[in-house]
Amino acid sequence: DVKVTQSSRYLVKRTGEKVFLECVQDMDHENMFWYRQDPGLGLRLIYFSYDVKMKEKGDIPEGYSVSREKKERFSLILESASTNQTSMYLCASSLRKYRGTEAFFGQGTRLTVV
Amino acid sequence: TQLLEQSPQFLSIQEGENLTVYCNSSSVFSSLQWYRQEPGEGPVLLVTVVTGGEVKKLKRLTFQFGDARKDSSLHITAAQPGDTGLYLCAGAQGTSYDKVIFGPGTSLSVIP
Repeated sequence: DVKVTQSSRYLVKRTGEKVFLECVQDMDHENMFWYRQDPGLGLRLIYFSYDVKMKEKGDIPEGYSVSREKKERFSLILESASTNQTSMYLCASSLRKYRGTEAFFGQGTRLTVV
Repeated sequence: TQLLEQSPQFLSIQEGENLTVYCNSSSVFSSLQWYRQEPGEGPVLLVTVVTGGEVKKLKRLTFQFGDARKDSSLHITAAQPGDTGLYLCAGAQGTSYDKVIFGPGTSLSVIP
């Protein structure tokens, strides 16, 4: 069974802290993604990676960075957490193919910054 | 600017009723996907449509991609409580996945 695993389901951090969200996939997928999900806004792409050590900015990269040192692992880093980064964070992976490749999502990390 | 709109935003119906939810855009998409997300979980892919006018059926769910590839609909027949969830449409504008845009979702509640 395919699996994308996020390290935490719930996380509470203080303003200014450095926060690491980890994501691991066991499907040997080339592509990995980080989204945030807020009510009424859908999923917004923060960063994606199409290969080890490669990364591309998504629609809302400000305040975030990423790391992909191994194919199966994609980390999202909040350099200095702020309250407006309170959100649900979703990691996904997919095969690199054209037209309609399926994205497999993790269970999400609900981050609260206080 | 949100390029994909979904309607209605919320829908609450009785078990056994039929329903249709819509996904609309002014942009043309090369493919469109529908996902269902249950509370506390990540979205799960239901279907991908790639050809204008295409209709796909998945048991009681019928998906249609508009002729102009700008819109899509999801019709559920005889809804059941297990259909409850957030339905997200996602459109790809290029030929690679990195151009996928998600709509805000329709939250469906099916009451027994």
